[in-house]
Amino acid sequence: GENVEQHPSTLSVQEGDSAVIKCTYSDSASNYFPWYKQELGKRPQLIIDIRSNVGEKKDQRIAVTLNKTAKHFSLHITETQPEDSAVYFCAATSGGSYIPTFGRGTSLIVHP
Amino acid sequence: EAGVAQSPRYKIIEKRQSVAFWCNPISGHATLYWYQQILGQGPKLLIQFQNNGVVDDSQLPKDRFSAERLKGVDSTLKIQPAKLEDSAVYLCASSLGIGETEAFFGQGTRLTVV
Repeated sequence: GENVEQHPSTLSVQEGDSAVIKCTYSDSASNYFPWYKQELGKRPQLIIDIRSNVGEKKDQRIAVTLNKTAKHFSLHITETQPEDSAVYFCAATSGGSYIPTFGRGTSLIVHP
Repeated sequence: EAGVAQSPRYKIIEKRQSVAFWCNPISGHATLYWYQQILGQGPKLLIQFQNNGVVDDSQLPKDRFSAERLKGVDSTLKIQPAKLEDSAVYLCASSLGIGETEAFFGQGTRLTVV
């Protein structure tokens, strides 16, 4: 089955800095890669996603890149703000099984 | 639009007892997922339904866990009997279809087994 590795587990930055979270996946048939933000005690919410036919996608301060050859994808947050503090999860969905597999999460802390 | 509804929000039971969780997905969403999220980890898929059929239940501990979605809308997840290691948040999610579609999560049910 699919295996998704996510790094780092914790990321601490100063307000205004950039943050990068990286994920790797094992199943070359995976074709959908969403990123979720989960604030403490709340539900995961989709912040951006990318499909395998695209290499990069941006939405304001958030961007995701995908390298299918290397089987890794990354989340980039620029000009971080304290309200960006949360746990971020990457996920990969296999085009063969349609099973979504999540990474273990990255706790992002943005210091004012 | 209304989101994914789950109940109860919290449940505390003793080991070996039974418990059931309920989920009402977003109207029109054919795909429903049950995830187990242990503290400090990412959600782990337990079972995935497409309408009232099971797409995947390979990670569901079938000796104690069961789930159903009889009419292709609401779903229930049951644990019988519960173990201490079942303590987790149980998240229900739904999406329009399977594969490359956004999943919307409910608030979850926090289960504590003592």
